[in-house]
Amino acid sequence: GAGVSQSPSNKVTEKGKDVELRCDPISGHTALYWYRQSLGQGLEFLIYFQGNSAPDKSGLPSDRFSAERTGGSVSTLTIQRTQQEDSAVYLCASSLGLAATYEQYFGPGTRLTVT
Amino acid sequence: KNQVEQSPQSLIILEGKNCTLQCNYTVSPFSNLRWYKQDTGRGPVSLTIMTFSENTKSNGRYTATLDADTKQSSLHITASQLSDSASYICVVSDSGSARQLTFGSGTQLTVLP
Repeated sequence: GAGVSQSPSNKVTEKGKDVELRCDPISGHTALYWYRQSLGQGLEFLIYFQGNSAPDKSGLPSDRFSAERTGGSVSTLTIQRTQQEDSAVYLCASSLGLAATYEQYFGPGTRLTVT
Repeated sequence: KNQVEQSPQSLIILEGKNCTLQCNYTVSPFSNLRWYKQDTGRGPVSLTIMTFSENTKSNGRYTATLDADTKQSSLHITASQLSDSASYICVVSDSGSARQLTFGSGTQLTVLP
């Protein structure tokens, strides 16, 4: 079946603009995660959604970042008033559940460049 | 603070040779450890997952080891191929919830013909 898809694959934006990144998880996966990968750094957890539960937003770096998941499927990560330090690859992953033994399947990522 | 340290940062080997990548962690309490392979421009793909009671796990030419006492893991790649060129990421979970993952910064492996 189809894997996790993300769009756009690349996004170049000017400092101060808002951007929206989209993630389509694998059908049937109840858990969805957003990560940020900066050059030379490990993946940084941003937020996760599990079913209809309230999302864990503990990893969001500032109130400029927000995410929503509509209908338990597609998710959008929004960054308002982008800054140059927001430049990174944003990865989305989904899994069957939250338990640590469920494998996370990653999308190809969106490379965001803030000029 | 939970940390995962990987070494070396980068490695270049010739096709057909073996190599070993290292991962040291200070995550507690330990739940499991995973190795991921990330090709350039792609998302990470899981290679192995190991729990506390497992010492060795193989996936084709990839063999992962875990020493929970010393908090060390290694990933051994046998008879390397050009397609093995990628970043290898060690990820440690500190609870029963997948969100509690600590990622290493990866080892960039380059296999030359």
